[in-house]
Amino acid sequence: EDQVTQSPEALRLQEGESSSLNCSYTVSGLRGLFWYRQDPGKGPEFLFTLYSAGEEKEKERLKATLTKKESFLHITAPKPEDSATYLCAVQAYFGNEKLTFGTGTRLTIIP
Amino acid sequence: DVKVTQSSRYLVKRTGEKVFLECVQDMDHENMFWYRQDPGLGLRLIYFSYDVKMKEKGDIPEGYSVSREKKERFSLILESASTNQTSMYLCASSLVQGAGGYTFGSGTRLTVV
Repeated sequence: EDQVTQSPEALRLQEGESSSLNCSYTVSGLRGLFWYRQDPGKGPEFLFTLYSAGEEKEKERLKATLTKKESFLHITAPKPEDSATYLCAVQAYFGNEKLTFGTGTRLTIIP
Repeated sequence: DVKVTQSSRYLVKRTGEKVFLECVQDMDHENMFWYRQDPGLGLRLIYFSYDVKMKEKGDIPEGYSVSREKKERFSLILESASTNQTSMYLCASSLVQGAGGYTFGSGTRLTVV
């Protein structure tokens, strides 16, 4: 069974204080690892897809990296508007198009 | 701008009622999904559909059914609503083997009283 564990559950940072969110996974053949951002009361918004170990993707202050067992979402010099819940999900090669999600990290950036 | 639209943002229903949640996408995506999201449990897959009139059970299908008569529309049906079905329901769509993952709707917060 595919599993995704995210840590920490919640993180509070001062504006400008860089940090990383962790996503550990087990999957029967990784097709892709996905990062989403979710604002309160809204649906998740797609950020990145990573396919193989060593791959990196960047968008503004966010950078996602991937190893064979985990992914990190690095946040550099965050701003209050980066406050959200960040979700990680994996998709396996075998079977259907299903994504298995972690429970997320709730990030709060304090001005 | 591509969209997944869920017909209601908030619903309050009584125990035992039959409840319909509607979802429409305008991206010509083959796949559509229904998830529920609960604190501490994350997103859990209820049902998905990879083509018109095709459906497959997800991880928690009990108490739910789905209908996909047209490619753009995917409906979730709660046959007899119960209080443990109070949750945020999220619809999503994707291309077959799409690199962009899912596109989600804004969600329907359902309360069963």
